[in-house]
Amino acid sequence: KQEVTQIPAALSVPEGENLVLNCSFTDSAIYNLQWFRQDPGKGLTSLLLIQSSQREQTSGRLNASLDKSSGRSTLYIAASQPGDSATYLCAVRHGSGTYKYIFGTGTRLKVLA
Amino acid sequence: NAGVTQTPKFRILKIGQSMTLQCTQDMNHNYMYWYRQDPGMGLKLIYYSVGAGITDKGEVPNGYNVSRSTTEDFPLRLELAAPSQTSVYFCASRPTGTVNAQETQYFGPGTRLLVL
Repeated sequence: KQEVTQIPAALSVPEGENLVLNCSFTDSAIYNLQWFRQDPGKGLTSLLLIQSSQREQTSGRLNASLDKSSGRSTLYIAASQPGDSATYLCAVRHGSGTYKYIFGTGTRLKVLA
Repeated sequence: NAGVTQTPKFRILKIGQSMTLQCTQDMNHNYMYWYRQDPGMGLKLIYYSVGAGITDKGEVPNGYNVSRSTTEDFPLRLELAAPSQTSVYFCASRPTGTVNAQETQYFGPGTRLLVL
């Protein structure tokens, strides 16, 4: 059974710091992996999606990498800003024959001004 | 485009009552999903649909039912509400396809449900 873990559960950093969020999954036979942002009391917003054949994706100050063999993905946020404060979740789609997504429990990020 | 809309935003139910959570999307997406999110947890898939008339169970379907009579609407029905169904419910949709942009899920703002 696929399990997705995100460590740490919470993180506080000063403004301007570069930071890395981690996502681990137990079964490497994934189809793709997505990173989402969730603001308090809001729905999720997709940030980046990496297909199983890709190694990384970039959008602005965000860079997501994928290492299927080790069951890990990282979300790198450069020059963090207070507006980056939110909960970040990763989700894996397990196999091309399924349309289901398994979510991690998220990392709650606070960027201090 | 309004995107994915959900109603109501908040509801209090008594144990044993029933209700329907509404979800509508105006992006002509074939795939639609219902998730629940318990405090401090990730999202758990309840049901999903790959098109009108086609639905399937997710990880936690017990106590819920869905229907998909149109592309736009994907209501979630709670029968005999229980305190364990207290949660935030999110509806999501995505287009058909396999390129990155087509795999992106679009989420509604959520429905907060309290069962007492």
